[in-house]
Amino acid sequence: QSVLTQPPSMSGAPGQRVTFSCSGSSSNIGAGYDVHWYKQLPGTAPKLLIYGNNNRPSGVPDRFSGSKSGTSVSLAITGLQADDEADYYCQSYDSDLSAWVFGGGTKLTVL
Amino acid sequence: QVELQESGPGLVKPSETLSLNCAVSRYSIINTFYWAWIRQSPGKGLEWIASIYHTGRLYYNPSLRSRVTISVDTSKNQFSLKLTSVTAADTAVYYCARIAVGATTPFDFWGQGTLVTVSS
Repeated sequence: QSVLTQPPSMSGAPGQRVTFSCSGSSSNIGAGYDVHWYKQLPGTAPKLLIYGNNNRPSGVPDRFSGSKSGTSVSLAITGLQADDEADYYCQSYDSDLSAWVFGGGTKLTVL
Repeated sequence: QVELQESGPGLVKPSETLSLNCAVSRYSIINTFYWAWIRQSPGKGLEWIASIYHTGRLYYNPSLRSRVTISVDTSKNQFSLKLTSVTAADTAVYYCARIAVGATTPFDFWGQGTLVTVSS
């Protein structure tokens, strides 16, 4: 069981908007530690998608956005495209565990 | 931009020690970043293992601390991981990555990963 909780799967049709959730606790997200999102295609390494809750690295389109509220964060993808099909992971720091922690990941299927 | 490349045996016997290297290129390992190991068991999520700064300051995942050693070789611009007394549960893709100083920073660059299988 991961410290950060993500739904195992989601799906959406091309062009739609999907929102991923990542739920934590008072020792990680609720403690104010930033959350970061990664996209992982099959057989490849995770790639940083969103950092600091809602910032995009250079090259990441503005179709991707993040937000934070309390002990949860969300990742939104608008204008869903076929190549958005991947696994998405959230990551933060947990002060109780003294460890960087990840969510279990959400597999996105583009219908 | 920075590139990371893992290397090491792809097969380790149970109870033996897993040893991996991560070569860093296009960036000096003595700049202000930490260097980390992360693993991903087949079909499962990601697990942070340890991080090290070029001065030797390091952080270990408490769940693995007793079996893990991370070290840095600034002359070769690389860092290493040793995991002792491995079992089948340690079978995973092992990634090396870069992370800025501070608990709130992301792993911004990753190696391609190397699969290590623990089996006799």
